Amino acid sequence: AAGVIQSPRHLIKEKRETATLKCYPIPRHDTVYWYQQGPGQDPQFLISFYEKMQSDKGSIPDRFSAQQFSDYHSELNMSSLELGDSALYFCASSLNEGAYNEQFFGPGTRLTVL
Amino acid sequence: AQSVTQLGSHVSVSEGALVLLRCNYSSSVPPYLFWYVQYPNQGLQLLLKYTTGATLVKGINGFEAEFKKSETSFHLTKPSAHMSDAAEYFCAVSSHRGGADGLTFGKGTHLIIQP
Repeated sequence: AAGVIQSPRHLIKEKRETATLKCYPIPRHDTVYWYQQGPGQDPQFLISFYEKMQSDKGSIPDRFSAQQFSDYHSELNMSSLELGDSALYFCASSLNEGAYNEQFFGPGTRLTVL
Repeated sequence: AQSVTQLGSHVSVSEGALVLLRCNYSSSVPPYLFWYVQYPNQGLQLLLKYTTGATLVKGINGFEAEFKKSETSFHLTKPSAHMSDAAEYFCAVSSHRGGADGLTFGKGTHLIIQP
């Protein structure tokens, strides 16, 4: 079965640079979620989109922005990168069918900021 | 607001022994509860979930969990541990009733299986 695709899988950036992470949801899924997992930490919810509209917002820094496109893929844009942004970034997708929608996680993008 | 507390950052059991990973939650509304497993350098895989209905839920790989409202707990168990169960386990909660709400995770429990 098709899974969530994230690209790139690994990314190395310098401080103050920008980065763009991409997420391709499972076909037919209309909702995407972004999470950040620091080294040895639990995943922290950043933001979610349903039908191209922001749905829920977590602890996303102002330096980060995200959007969902008409084909439902999503991009997380990160500017003025800091060392503390080094983390594993997960995207998850779901099909919005009601109160509970199971989230399927991608393999993650590992961002290293030097 | 909701939160999750996982007791024990590391749990070590012998192969074949009972696995018990503890999770307590806090939520202002009836929660949805989840257990996820994460193997090294991999994504999160859903083990099981509680939304409504039966409070004892069974998941993949022989795991099960029981929702106890009076104790605000959702502990994960497996009768007999296998070496392949060694991984990081996260308990998560979603208290909203919206379809696109983010999950709140606990700090995780690293499960070690002794041969």
